[in-house]
Amino acid sequence: GAVVSQHPSWVICKSGTSVKIECRSLDFQATTMFWYRQFPKQSLMLMATSNEGSKATYEQGVEKDKFLINHASLTLSTLTVTSAHPEDSSFYICSALPGLAISVEQYFGPGTRLTVT
Amino acid sequence: AQSVTQLGSHVSVSEGALVLLRCNYSSSVPPYLFWYVQYPNQGLQLLLKYTSAATLVKGINGFEAEFKKSETSFHLTKPSAHMSDAAEYFCAVSVPDFSGTYKYIFGTGTRLKVLA
Repeated sequence: GAVVSQHPSWVICKSGTSVKIECRSLDFQATTMFWYRQFPKQSLMLMATSNEGSKATYEQGVEKDKFLINHASLTLSTLTVTSAHPEDSSFYICSALPGLAISVEQYFGPGTRLTVT
Repeated sequence: AQSVTQLGSHVSVSEGALVLLRCNYSSSVPPYLFWYVQYPNQGLQLLLKYTSAATLVKGINGFEAEFKKSETSFHLTKPSAHMSDAAEYFCAVSVPDFSGTYKYIFGTGTRLKVLA
C-alpha cells in the first residue's frame, strides 16, 4: 500500500516550452503533497507544499510563477515548469501525506528527470 | 531550529564489514525519524523509521537504527555490507510547521561505497 506514481519518468524539452509532471497517490487519498528538486549528488530541496483545493505554499526562493502547482483532487497534484530553461534541468520528486488525519510519514514517487535543451 | 546532520558525505567499507552511517538531529518537539536509500535516478526507498515506539528499529535489507534521545542520534547500521548496499542514504526528521503539517528536514546525504 501507499504507492505514489509520477509521470513522466523522464522528459526532454526545448528551452522556452512548458512541461507538466503528474504525481498520483494510487491507493490512498492525500490532502497534502510535496514537490522536491534534487540536483546531482545533493539532497532533496523542498520546493512547495500542495494542499487539495487550495493554493500551494512555496518555499523561499522558489518562483511560483515558474513552477505552477495544482492539487485538483485528493489523488493528483501537478507541477508545471513554465518557459523552461537549461538551469531548470533537474530530478523532481513528489511525495504525499496520506489521509485526512495528522500524518508524519511521506510516501515518495519515483521521480522525474527533466532535461531542458 | 530543527535540523539533521549526517556526518561523512562519503563512507567506504569493505564487503562483509560493518556499515555505520551517522545521523544527529535537532528538534524542539518529539522527533519522527526516517532513513531512506536512493539508487541512481530513482526515488527514495524507506529503510526504517522511528515513530516513538521501540528505540531499536529494524528495517529492510538487514539495516537497523537506534534512537538515542540523550545523544540526539539515529545512526544506521548493518552488520555485514553487501555490494548492493552501495547507494546514497538520507536521514530525515518529520516536524510540524506553523500550520501543523508535518514536513521533512533532510540531511545532506551519505554516499556509501562498498569495496570488493
